[in-house]
Amino acid sequence: GQNIDQPTEMTATEGAIVQINCTYQTSGFNGLFWYQQHAGEAPTFLSYNVLDGLEEKGRFSSFLSRSKGYSYLLLKELQMKDSASYLCAVMDSNYQLIWGAGTKLIIKP
Amino acid sequence: SAVISQKPSRDICQRGTSLTIQCQVDSQVTMMFWYRQQPGQSLTLIATANQGSEATYESGFVIDKFPISRPNLTFSTLTVSNMSPEDSSIYLCSVRTGLAGDAGELFFGEGSRLTVL
Repeated sequence: GQNIDQPTEMTATEGAIVQINCTYQTSGFNGLFWYQQHAGEAPTFLSYNVLDGLEEKGRFSSFLSRSKGYSYLLLKELQMKDSASYLCAVMDSNYQLIWGAGTKLIIKP
Repeated sequence: SAVISQKPSRDICQRGTSLTIQCQVDSQVTMMFWYRQQPGQSLTLIATANQGSEATYESGFVIDKFPISRPNLTFSTLTVSNMSPEDSSIYLCSVRTGLAGDAGELFFGEGSRLTVL
């Protein structure tokens, strides 16, 4: 079956760095997405990786290793507004999105 | 990008009734999707709304329970029929710009939070 695993919850301190991991097993691979979802709001797109390596976008970076079925989202210089759920999603060979359950990130002052 | 308007944003419904959720996009899109997100859980795809043909439903979802309309390339509706408390959830409309099969990003509406009593 198809499976996406990510931690349920993480806590970090304002100004620090946090890494949210995602491992996946899917039938085929057409890219991996990270979305941010604040409580009570819709998900918003953060990043897309289809090739191995690191993609940097401001304070956020996303890494992919296709051979390991692994990705991480790195958040630097954490701000209180970064408190949200972070969803990992993989697009399989049929271009269907398989969603992880999300990681709730709690930022403390 | 795409801007999606979804309504109602929230509603409280009685068991056994039906509710229709509307999704309006500010541009023509090929692929529109309806998701359900139950509290603390992942997004679950209900169906893909196809313009000019019947929607394509995922395993566990049927047309009689979740009828979908897609009259044109900018609008779709999802009806939750004969509701029970288990249908209490957030329902999200989303679109993917670009061609079918393109691994483009999804844009989401703000969701419709339904509570069934």
